[in-house]
Amino acid sequence: GAGVSQSPRYKVAKRGQDVALRCDPISGHVSLFWYQQALGQGPEFLTYFQNEAQLDKSGLPSDRFFAERPEGSVSTLKIQRTQQEDSAVYLCASSLLEPQETQYFGPGTRLLVL
Amino acid sequence: AQSVTQLDSHVSVSEGTPVLLRCNYSSSYSPSLFWYVQHPNKGLQLLLKYTSAATLVKGINGFEAEFKKSETSFHLTKPSAHMSDAAEYFCVVSDFRGFKTIFGAGTRLFVKA
Repeated sequence: GAGVSQSPRYKVAKRGQDVALRCDPISGHVSLFWYQQALGQGPEFLTYFQNEAQLDKSGLPSDRFFAERPEGSVSTLKIQRTQQEDSAVYLCASSLLEPQETQYFGPGTRLLVL
Repeated sequence: AQSVTQLDSHVSVSEGTPVLLRCNYSSSYSPSLFWYVQHPNKGLQLLLKYTSAATLVKGINGFEAEFKKSETSFHLTKPSAHMSDAAEYFCVVSDFRGFKTIFGAGTRLFVKA
């Protein structure tokens, strides 16, 4: 399977805990995106990487959210001191080169903060 | 700034009848426009995309969309609905100036037997 994979698929956290969500993009894909999808809504852009460079982080809701892609492949989205409003599905997508190209989405990580 | 508006949150059709899902966009530059579908408990899948070539774009599963610059619209159509088309559909816009991709709020399509 050469698709985008994400882990864990489900995560339950107590309020105040830190979580780390992993994304494995399609091999060789330059562009990588993170989105947050609240229940009943469309995905909202969080951040964009071109290889290891984070070129846009304008969608990150607060400084508790941090993303990295140190070697230009696997990416991690970290949320510190989780709050109930962080409960959502976090989607990762990758595209071959340019950000305007077709994005291939992973299955998402469903985060529930209690 | 870019934006996208899906005009209907829910659409219900009978099997075998036409489907129309409406989308209007706003972009200062020539946009790239997409329709994605999300089936329950499945990942987002590309249906079709417009990138300034032909204004009528054909996608998978018999769907097509027409880019109308004068109306800033990119409506999704299908001549005959199938039960398997029941899903959430998202209209998406991006442009070459930046990296942000904007999703509409989604339209849930119901197909009645």
